[in-house]
Amino acid sequence: EDQVTQSPEALRLQEGESSSLNCSYTVSGLRGLFWYRQDPGKGPEFLFTLYSAGEEKEKERLKATLTKKESFLHITAPKPEDSATYLCAVQAGNSGGYQKVTFGTGTKLQVIP
Amino acid sequence: EPEVTQTPSHQVTQMGQEVILRCVPISNHLYFYWYRQILGQKVEFLVSFYNNEISEKSEIFDDQFSVERPDGSNFTLKIRSTKLEDSAMYFCASSLSGSPGELFFGEGSRLTVL
Repeated sequence: EDQVTQSPEALRLQEGESSSLNCSYTVSGLRGLFWYRQDPGKGPEFLFTLYSAGEEKEKERLKATLTKKESFLHITAPKPEDSATYLCAVQAGNSGGYQKVTFGTGTKLQVIP
Repeated sequence: EPEVTQTPSHQVTQMGQEVILRCVPISNHLYFYWYRQILGQKVEFLVSFYNNEISEKSEIFDDQFSVERPDGSNFTLKIRSTKLEDSAMYFCASSLSGSPGELFFGEGSRLTVL
């Protein structure tokens, strides 16, 4: 069974204090790893897709990286508006079908001014 | 900016009643999905829909669930006889590319079953 584990569960940062969120995964044949942002009471908002180990994607203060076992979401000099829950999700190639994406439980980030 | 819209935003129903949740996906998207999120838990895949038929469904999506695209714009999720454990936030999502991880989600419909 595909598994996605995110850590830490919650993270509190001062504005400007850089940090990383972790997503470790166990899947049979990774087709893609995805990062989303979810604000309270809202649907997830797509951020990045990573396909292969060594790949990196950047958007503003966020940078996502991928290895064979985990992905990191690096947040550089965060601002209060970066406060949200960040979700990691994987698409496996060999189990559960092609269309199914398995989400982790997320890391709740709070950035204090 | 185009968006996925869902109605109702919140529905309260009695156990055993039928519920229909409605979604209007982004107009040029071809792939449609329903996910659910029980309070405090992770987002879970229910079903994907393409070319007017279900392309994949999870073990959660049993015979009490059905989906339909009754016209060119709406995409609905029907729960035939609701149970207490169906209480959750239900998210509709759509995709242009067919990549099942690059999804545009709606704001969700919160279903409360009493």
